[in-house]
Amino acid sequence: DSGVTQTPKHLITATGQRVTLRCSPRSGDLSVYWYQQSLDQGLQFLIQYYNGEERAKGNILERFSAQQFPDLHSELNLSSLELGDSALYFCASSVEFSGANVLTFGAGSRLTVL
Amino acid sequence: AQTVTQSQPEMSVQEAETVTLSCTYDTSENNYYLFWYKQPPSRQMILVIRQEAYKQQNATENRFSVNFQKAAKSFSLKISDSQLGDTAMYFCAFIPVNTDKLIFGTGTRLQVFP
Repeated sequence: DSGVTQTPKHLITATGQRVTLRCSPRSGDLSVYWYQQSLDQGLQFLIQYYNGEERAKGNILERFSAQQFPDLHSELNLSSLELGDSALYFCASSVEFSGANVLTFGAGSRLTVL
Repeated sequence: AQTVTQSQPEMSVQEAETVTLSCTYDTSENNYYLFWYKQPPSRQMILVIRQEAYKQQNATENRFSVNFQKAAKSFSLKISDSQLGDTAMYFCAFIPVNTDKLIFGTGTRLQVFP
């Protein structure tokens, strides 16, 4: 157990729907990152929050949004889902936001869009 | 653009043998961190080893060691005494100091045979 908790572990939904993925960072970590891993691909950075504020944005679609709440948990909202959104979505956390801090990853949420 | 390249999509090694996974990266930054992450069939992302670019000494963690060649922008991972549990996808990743985005390569699938 890495200390980063992601729910749900698996999610199957239909095109056009909206889902929310949840992440609780490791205790003491202020920074949360979201990554997308499509089938047999590397991880693509989506977005990062630090202590409730957006810090960096990657290749995140406009149909996707995220936020980090005062208790530091984060949610990734995916709307108007398309078949190509099927992927493993990872949340990671770290104490701060610089490269000096190692990211700890959750177990991922596998999204299947039918 | 900063990129990470893993030129070996798949590798195989016999148990107890040694295998080396290649990684090159492209950056104009002088100070950064390099990582190897392991992703077993469980899909969990597990940190294997970390190297700080300003340190000349190659990092070592038990059976895992790196060959860091800063001038060549090369960061290979050597696994000694390979074990069946080493079977996984291995991702090389890079992050400049004081930035927020960990950049991943596309991964090398390693199969360890008995």
